[in-house]
Amino acid sequence: GQQVMQIPQYQHVQEGEDFTTYCNSSTTLSNIQWYKQRPGGHPVFLIQLVKSGEVKKQKRLTFQFGEAKKNSSLHITATQTTDVGTYFCAGKVGGTSYGKLTFGQGTILTVHP
Amino acid sequence: GAVVSQHPSRVICKSGTSVKIECRSLDFQATTMFWYRQFPKQSLMLMATSNEGSKATYEQGVEKDKFLINHASLTLSTLTVTSAHPEDSSFYICSAPTRGQSDTEAFFGQGTRLTVV
Repeated sequence: GQQVMQIPQYQHVQEGEDFTTYCNSSTTLSNIQWYKQRPGGHPVFLIQLVKSGEVKKQKRLTFQFGEAKKNSSLHITATQTTDVGTYFCAGKVGGTSYGKLTFGQGTILTVHP
Repeated sequence: GAVVSQHPSRVICKSGTSVKIECRSLDFQATTMFWYRQFPKQSLMLMATSNEGSKATYEQGVEKDKFLINHASLTLSTLTVTSAHPEDSSFYICSAPTRGQSDTEAFFGQGTRLTVV
């Protein structure tokens, strides 16, 4: 079955440092989504990428979708303590049930002040 | 944005009893909802797809008689953990897809932390 691998599992940074998490799928994706889960909370949608090679930015967050639509990355510039949480990528394969996503393992980000 | 409400947020039950968890879409209709299980510091594991008016679709390895899913209306899906055992203790979370700001964006409930003693 489809697998979505995400690395690293953990990332500890000093406030102000950059952070990147990477996502790789075993199959071509129709789209990829990114979610953030704060400690004790539930996942919250951040963004969706659909087009090959697409790059989107949200303030300090930059999201990329690979040319082959099999990999993606999330980069945070100059991390802040409010960035703490687990970041998940979630891929959708064409032809699967409406809304059915396969989640990566997540990257737990810790930011030290 | 769309809101999904999940209840209860926490529940402690005795081994052998059953627990029902509700997932409601508050401001949109959801013909499909998803139920996940999440262990500490791990990813969301899809358990089943809840389909309004029809049987749920379970992922491989998930016992359908253990985790009963009912989706009787366009705004409500329930997950019942039957004859719960300590190994069923986990964080259960539902989601409903909707065409919000993006196609098939998933809105998650707040989650239910189940502890079986």
